[in-house]
Amino acid sequence: EVQLVETGGGLIQPGGSLRLSCAASGFTVSSNYMSWVRQAPGKGLEWVSVIYSGGSTYYADSVKGRFTISRDNSKNTLYLQMNSLRAEDTAVYYCAREMGYWGQGTLVTVSS
Amino acid sequence: DVVMTQSPLSLPVTLGQPASISCRSSQSLVYSDGNTYLNWFQQRPGQSPRRLIYKVSNRDSGVPDRFSGSGSGTDFTLKISRVEAEDVGVYYCMQGTHPFTFGPGTKVDIK
Repeated sequence: EVQLVETGGGLIQPGGSLRLSCAASGFTVSSNYMSWVRQAPGKGLEWVSVIYSGGSTYYADSVKGRFTISRDNSKNTLYLQMNSLRAEDTAVYYCAREMGYWGQGTLVTVSS
Repeated sequence: DVVMTQSPLSLPVTLGQPASISCRSSQSLVYSDGNTYLNWFQQRPGQSPRRLIYKVSNRDSGVPDRFSGSGSGTDFTLKISRVEAEDVGVYYCMQGTHPFTFGPGTKVDIK
């Protein structure tokens, strides 16, 4: 059974850093494309980043240069390193396997 | 950047009646491999998104056959043949060609 479990969210001050993790089971992360998608409170879905099986990565303009997507094949885990966080980064962050399987999300709140 | 628009943004429906949501992209979603990467998602209140349809018209496993997707190029439609109470939620289209963009969402509720 495919499972995705996001962790690492929390309250962080503006300008701070946070690393989100997405532990996968039931499939191999490196064999699929994996995405991060976020949803600000009461708002719609916003694609954040993707890493393809070959290692190529892409980012939304809103996070480019501040966020980094990566994976650890030995841990079968996806990551999102978030630096220079802003209030507008406040959202529930979901990881998804090829957009067909989604985790439950982890809340990131950027506030002083 | 590809911009996705949806209409309507709010859709009150009567149980048992059909419903239709339109999605348009600012450029063609036909990829170089010949596929059109247009997906539809449902998000029920308090839940994670769930993909219903991929590549325009293919239903995901476990999705009731009252849901159907159609369209081509830049114009796409999600149809629910007979709305049930469990269909309440927000529906998003998403293009997966350039690389990804979601539409603003259509809120479906019961009249």
